[in-house]
Amino acid sequence: DTAVSQTPKYLVTQMGNDKSIKCEQNLGHDTMYWYKQDSKKFLKIMFSYNNKELIINETVPNRFSPKSPDKAHLNLHINSLELGDSAVYFCASSQEGRELMTQYFGPGTRLLVL
Amino acid sequence: RKEVEQDPGPFNVPEGATVAFNCTYSNSASQSFFWYRQDCRKEPKLLMSVYSSGNEDGRFTAQLNRASQYISLLIRDSKLSDSATYLCVVGYYNNNDMRFGAGTRLTVKP
Repeated sequence: DTAVSQTPKYLVTQMGNDKSIKCEQNLGHDTMYWYKQDSKKFLKIMFSYNNKELIINETVPNRFSPKSPDKAHLNLHINSLELGDSAVYFCASSQEGRELMTQYFGPGTRLLVL
Repeated sequence: RKEVEQDPGPFNVPEGATVAFNCTYSNSASQSFFWYRQDCRKEPKLLMSVYSSGNEDGRFTAQLNRASQYISLLIRDSKLSDSATYLCVVGYYNNNDMRFGAGTRLTVKP
């Protein structure tokens, strides 16, 4: 079974549209994340949630809104998509604690805004 | 200045070569350190954690110098399958925050 799954894998859409990406983890982890990897391959944290509570909220436009219905799911909704939003979005999860910080990543969602 | 800095490469080495990657981090409050590997069009995966005493996993050796805020990864006897991007990562226990470097690309050639 896939540990961290994301849907969709590919997303091609027009500027101005609203889209959502879903993420689920079956590892029993307490913390989930969203990362953005741009064309230069730089992986940047966007949000993290711990037990459904927002912990990290980096400087991300308000058009991006994460939602965590339970600790196994962290979805990302993007309003009014812009060309610069084109990137690969990775979901990840980890457990708390010094020895347990290993992050497990989903396969990524490749978003292309036209 | 980026929080985690790496030489982007690319490093092109022949099979069997030894190659070393370096990484520096700017926040002295960083508490945990890792190397991740990312293959082309795939997700990052943990390669190894990095401890102050240094640690080894087969052909891979990682070192941490807290005083200099410097992390290294040494790969001995390079294999074709080692071709990937290697990401230096620092973490913080209090909020499970993780900061990634931009990665160093390695290509091992026959």
